[in-house]
Amino acid sequence: GNSVTQMEGPVTLSEEAFLTINCTYTATGYPSLFWYVQYPGEGLQLLLKATKADDKGSNKGFEATYRKETTSFHLEKGSVQVSDSAVYFCALRGTQGGSEKLVFGKGTKLTVNP
Amino acid sequence: GAVVSQHPSWVICKSGTSVKIECRSLDFQATTMFWYRQFPKQSLMLMATSNEGSKATYEQGVEKDKFLINHASLTLSTLTVTSAHPEDSSFYICSASNRQGYFTEAFFGQGTRLTVV
Repeated sequence: GNSVTQMEGPVTLSEEAFLTINCTYTATGYPSLFWYVQYPGEGLQLLLKATKADDKGSNKGFEATYRKETTSFHLEKGSVQVSDSAVYFCALRGTQGGSEKLVFGKGTKLTVNP
Repeated sequence: GAVVSQHPSWVICKSGTSVKIECRSLDFQATTMFWYRQFPKQSLMLMATSNEGSKATYEQGVEKDKFLINHASLTLSTLTVTSAHPEDSSFYICSASNRQGYFTEAFFGQGTRLTVV
């Protein structure tokens, strides 16, 4: 079945540091890939997505590229801010579209210190 | 993106009582809704998938008689925790998708913190 393996945290960085959170997946066909962010006490918000190979999702300075050859979707940001402190989830959805469930990684907690 | 509203944001109830949590899609037709449970510092555990107008499909190990899910319309799904006990205390999150494929992602509610005392 489909699965997502995500770098385990916690990750602690200083403000303006470079961020990478690794995510690899196992799936048949061409799944859609997502990064979600969860701030304390809140639900999940979509951060970015990519629906086909070589697509790059980007939002709020975060980027991730759908790499079919390495089955990866690593999240990167060149300069993190304190406000980026949150838990980040990598997820995939199979080829059945909106009615198919998301498969999540375990989440990576990021703390950015001033 | 689309908006999903979950209510209440938090609730405290006594053991043995039932609690209903609502999940509404405000600006799109949610043909499929998902209910998750999240334990502290852990990932989301999918409890069930519900398609509008049909019975929910529960994940293995989830008691369908305890966690009643209703998806009677394209904009509303409810989760009722029946005869709640302290071990049911958790963070419950819903998400909604549209089967027509315009949205490949799911949109999440803000979550409900349930505390059973």
